[in-house]
Amino acid sequence: GENVEQHPSTLSVQEGDSAVIKCTYSDSASNYFPWYKQELGKRPQLIIDIRSNVGEKKDQRIAVTLNKTAKHFSLHITETQPEDSAVYFCAASGTGANNLFFGTGTRLTVIP
Amino acid sequence: GAGVSQSPSNKVTEKGKDVELRCDPISGHTALYWYRQSLGQGLEFLIYFQGNSAPDKSGLPSDRFSAERTGGSVSTLTIQRTQQEDSAVYLCASSSTLATDTQYFGPGTRLTVL
Repeated sequence: GENVEQHPSTLSVQEGDSAVIKCTYSDSASNYFPWYKQELGKRPQLIIDIRSNVGEKKDQRIAVTLNKTAKHFSLHITETQPEDSAVYFCAASGTGANNLFFGTGTRLTVIP
Repeated sequence: GAGVSQSPSNKVTEKGKDVELRCDPISGHTALYWYRQSLGQGLEFLIYFQGNSAPDKSGLPSDRFSAERTGGSVSTLTIQRTQQEDSAVYLCASSSTLATDTQYFGPGTRLTVL
């Protein structure tokens, strides 16, 4: 089955700096890669996703890149703000899969 | 419209008791998922329902866990003879059809087994 690894487990950045979170996956059949943000005590919420027919997707301060050959994808947050502080999860899935396979999460702290 | 809802939000039980957790998916979503999130961990897949098809139970950790989905809508996750290691947040999600459609999560049920 699919195995998703996520790094780093914790990340602290100064407000205004950029943050990068990286994930690798094992199943070459995976073709859908969402990122979820989970604030303390809240539900995970989708912030951006990418499918394997594109290499990069951007939404305001958030971008995701995908390298299918190397089987890795990354989340980039620019101009970080304190409200970006949360746990971020990457995930992977593919045609025929019945669930998302999640990474173990990155706790991002943005220091004002 | 209404999102995914779950009840109860918190459940404290004694070891050995049975518990039932409820999930109401987004109206019209045919796919429903249960995940488990242990403290400081990622989300672990438990079970998947799609329409009237047989559920994918491959993620259930033991035969003490079972789930039903009645009428293609509401789902109940049952844990029998609870153990302390069952303590976790149980999250339900739904998507329109496929696992590769956006999955929307409920707020979760925090289960504590004493």
